[in-house]
Amino acid sequence: DTAVSQTPKYLVTQMGNDKSIKCEQNLGHDTMYWYKQDSKKFLKIMFSYNNKELIINETVPNRFSPKSPDKAHLNLHINSLELGDSAVYFCASSPGTGIVETQYFGPGTRLLVL
Amino acid sequence: DQQVKQNSPSLSVQEGRISILNCDYTNSMFDYFLWYKKYPAEGPTFLISISSIKDKNEDGRFTVFLNKSAKHLSLHIVPSQPGDSAVYFCAASVGSSNTGKLIFGQGTTLQVKP
Repeated sequence: DTAVSQTPKYLVTQMGNDKSIKCEQNLGHDTMYWYKQDSKKFLKIMFSYNNKELIINETVPNRFSPKSPDKAHLNLHINSLELGDSAVYFCASSPGTGIVETQYFGPGTRLLVL
Repeated sequence: DQQVKQNSPSLSVQEGRISILNCDYTNSMFDYFLWYKKYPAEGPTFLISISSIKDKNEDGRFTVFLNKSAKHLSLHIVPSQPGDSAVYFCAASVGSSNTGKLIFGQGTTLQVKP
C-alpha cells in the first residue's frame, strides 16, 4: 500500500504545453511538499502546504502553481513548459513542520520537455 | 549558492568494510541534520538524523558525526553490505523556522562490492 504516490511516473511533452503532476498521501500527514531534482542532482524545495495552507514558496517561476484540494493531495500544475523544466519532481509529506519530523517521499515524476 | 555540499559524487567500498560519506554546510543557522537514502526509481527515505546539540548519533550500523566548528558531518556505515548500495543525501534545516524546510546536498552514490 503506497504511502506517497505520484502520477504520472514519466511525462514527455513539448515546449509550451501545460501539464499537471498529481500527488496523494495516505499517511494522514498535515504537510506536503514539492521538490525538484535538477541536472546537478540537488534536491530543491519548491513549495509546501500545511493543512491546505501555503507555508513555503521558494523562488519558483509563476508558471508553477501548486493546488491542494485537501490535506491528502498536493498537485503541481506547470504552464508553458520550458526545456529547463526537465527534471525529476518529488512529492513528500510529513506529520507536521517541526524539525524532528521526517519527510516521506514519493517515487518521483520524470519530466522531459522537448 | 549551495548551502549543503557533498563533494564526493561516488564512493566504492568492499563488503564488510566501513563506508564514510561526507557533507559540508555553510549556514551556521542550521541546527538539525538528516541523511536520506535513495534507491533507483524510488524516492529518498529517511535514514538517521542529528541535532546540533549532539556530536554523534548511532542507529545500528549507521552513525552520524557532527563537527559544528568545521561545519561538517559524516555518515559511517559499519559493516557495509551490498544492500547499502544507493545514493545518500545529506540535508539540513533551521529548526526555528518551523517550516520543515530541508536543504539537500547533491548526493553521494555508494557502491558496496560483494
